[in-house]
Amino acid sequence: GQQLNQSPQSMFIQEGEDVSMNCTSSSIFNTWLWYKQDPGEGPVLLIALYKAGELTSNGRLTAQFGITRKDSFLNISASIPSDVGIYFCAGHGGGTSYGKLTFGQGTILTVHP
Amino acid sequence: NAGVMQNPRHLVRRRGQEARLRCSPMKGHSHVYWYRQLPEEGLKFMVYLQKENIIDESGMPKERFSAEFPKEGPSILRIQQVVRGDSAAYFCASSPPDFYFDAETQYFGPGTRLLVL
Repeated sequence: GQQLNQSPQSMFIQEGEDVSMNCTSSSIFNTWLWYKQDPGEGPVLLIALYKAGELTSNGRLTAQFGITRKDSFLNISASIPSDVGIYFCAGHGGGTSYGKLTFGQGTILTVHP
Repeated sequence: NAGVMQNPRHLVRRRGQEARLRCSPMKGHSHVYWYRQLPEEGLKFMVYLQKENIIDESGMPKERFSAEFPKEGPSILRIQQVVRGDSAAYFCASSPPDFYFDAETQYFGPGTRLLVL
């Protein structure tokens, strides 16, 4: 089945620093999504990407859909303490996998004030 | 506009009992998905439903697990004769009826944390 490799597994940064994380896949995805999950809560959608090469921003967040359709990255600029949480990438393969999202393992972000 | 609602938020069951998890999608959404998350792991797809239809259940264990999304009322994920390995967070997501783009943009509920003793 489709697999997503997300890296890094965890990051410890100082407030104000920029953050970058990425996901790679062994197969093509038609849609990439980035979610943030706080402890005890469900994932919250941050950015959705629908076209290869697409670069999309949402405030301090920027994400890109790789040209090969097998990767995506998420950047967070000027991190703040409330950015702490687990970030997940998710891909949708299209075709017969209509509704199924495949998730990466997550990147745990810790921001030191 | 209320988000995806799930209840209960926490559920404790003894081995052999039944667990029933409920999900009400966002208003106007007609697609419902269930995912399971084990500690320190990503979410794993279980099942995709539309009203009164199971579209894809490729991620559902073959035994003891079932899901429904009736014409009226919430979607239900049912786990019969629970075992300790069923302990996990179960998340429901929903998406709008426009299949071309938005059905792939799923919005998640807060989850039900199931603990099997």
